[in-house]
Amino acid sequence: AQKITQTQPGMFVQEKEAVTLDCTYDTSDQSYGLFWYKQPSSGEMIFLIYQGSYDEQNATEGRYSLNFQKARKSANLVISASQLGDSAMYFCAMRDLLRDDMRFGAGTRLTVKP
Amino acid sequence: DTAVSQTPKYLVTQMGNDKSIKCEQNLGHDTMYWYKQDSKKFLKIMFSYNNKELIINETVPNRFSPKSPDKAHLNLHINSLELGDSAVYFCASSSIDTGNNEQFFGPGTRLTVL
Repeated sequence: AQKITQTQPGMFVQEKEAVTLDCTYDTSDQSYGLFWYKQPSSGEMIFLIYQGSYDEQNATEGRYSLNFQKARKSANLVISASQLGDSAMYFCAMRDLLRDDMRFGAGTRLTVKP
Repeated sequence: DTAVSQTPKYLVTQMGNDKSIKCEQNLGHDTMYWYKQDSKKFLKIMFSYNNKELIINETVPNRFSPKSPDKAHLNLHINSLELGDSAVYFCASSSIDTGNNEQFFGPGTRLTVL
């Protein structure tokens, strides 16, 4: 069974600094996708970034980048130049692309300090 | 303009009642999902529908039943509501044709069972 682990229940970062949110996963599948979602206090789920298991380069989307280390089964999210609006819950998720089965980690609450 | 919509946004009801939550997507996606997010923010998949066929049913009590009248709708019916059903329920959709395979989430429905 797939398992997603986010070991940081809460993180603090100073505005304008970079922060790394950890995510490790456990799967025996060869074909899968890794996702990060942001959930602000308003409650909606916002897609941030995606990494395919066969992608050789780390994904980047604006200030978001995904540090993908396949051998270590980790997919950490790096947010550069943090902004106050980045304060939210962040969820790591993995999707088995063949079975279309998506599992989420427990989430990390990020607080950006002014 | 709304991609995935849910109604109602809030639902407060008594234990033992039967209720429904509606979900519609206008993205032309072929797969829709229902997730439950509990008070600790843990997000768990409940159902997945692809072309009107249920392809995932995660050990969910049979009091919960998804109903899909067409590809754009996946409604969630809940019978004999219990206190433990109180949560935020998210509908989502995806398509194998979307580049990142991400799931697009609705705004969520906060269900409170008294």
